Amino acid sequence: GIQVEQSPPDLILQEGANSTLRCNFSDSVNNLQWFHQNPWGQLINLFYIPSGTKQNGRLSATTVATERYSLLYISSSQTTDSGVYFCAVRDQNRDDKIIFGKGTRLHILP
Amino acid sequence: NAGVTQTPKFRVLKTGQSMTLLCAQDMNHEYMYWYRQDPGMGLRLIHYSVGEGTTAKGEVPDGYNVSRLKKQNFLLGLESAAPSQTSVYFCASISGGFGVNEQFFGPGTRLTVL
Repeated sequence: GIQVEQSPPDLILQEGANSTLRCNFSDSVNNLQWFHQNPWGQLINLFYIPSGTKQNGRLSATTVATERYSLLYISSSQTTDSGVYFCAVRDQNRDDKIIFGKGTRLHILP
Repeated sequence: NAGVTQTPKFRVLKTGQSMTLLCAQDMNHEYMYWYRQDPGMGLRLIHYSVGEGTTAKGEVPDGYNVSRLKKQNFLLGLESAAPSQTSVYFCASISGGFGVNEQFFGPGTRLTVL
């Protein structure tokens, strides 16, 4: 089945710093999402982005489907950005299973 | 519009007991999913459904059964709970088909098996 790899696995930054999180996937997908899991365990939708670029405030994401990767950018980090960031893809070749990467754990220091 | 809801929020079971987790969505979505998340780990797909009356196995289906008798509900059953099934269980749904297929998650059910 499709493989989803996220990097880096862990990231510690000072408040105000910028960061780039990467998601690589091994096969064609027709659906890619980025989620933030906050310290209370809630999964929050950030972007639905099968291709192209989207921006929402300090966050933006770009997916290059032909090269099988997606990037999540966080600018001017705040402590509330801490948590785990997951990307998830829908495997269109295997009954529409949705597969998650293992996540990037982000810790923003005050 | 409640989105995706899960019942119960917390549960403690003894080894060998059975239980059913309920996921309900009011968005008329076709596809529904059950995941488990172990401490410090990502989400792993247990079972999913692409429509009423259908179910399919995910990555970690052993020890679980599911049913989708109504479009809005997706039930996850544990027939004989084991300590290895201690986890947080998340349900999700998407509309399915063509077009935007954003996945929406429920708040999770924290299950402990003693």
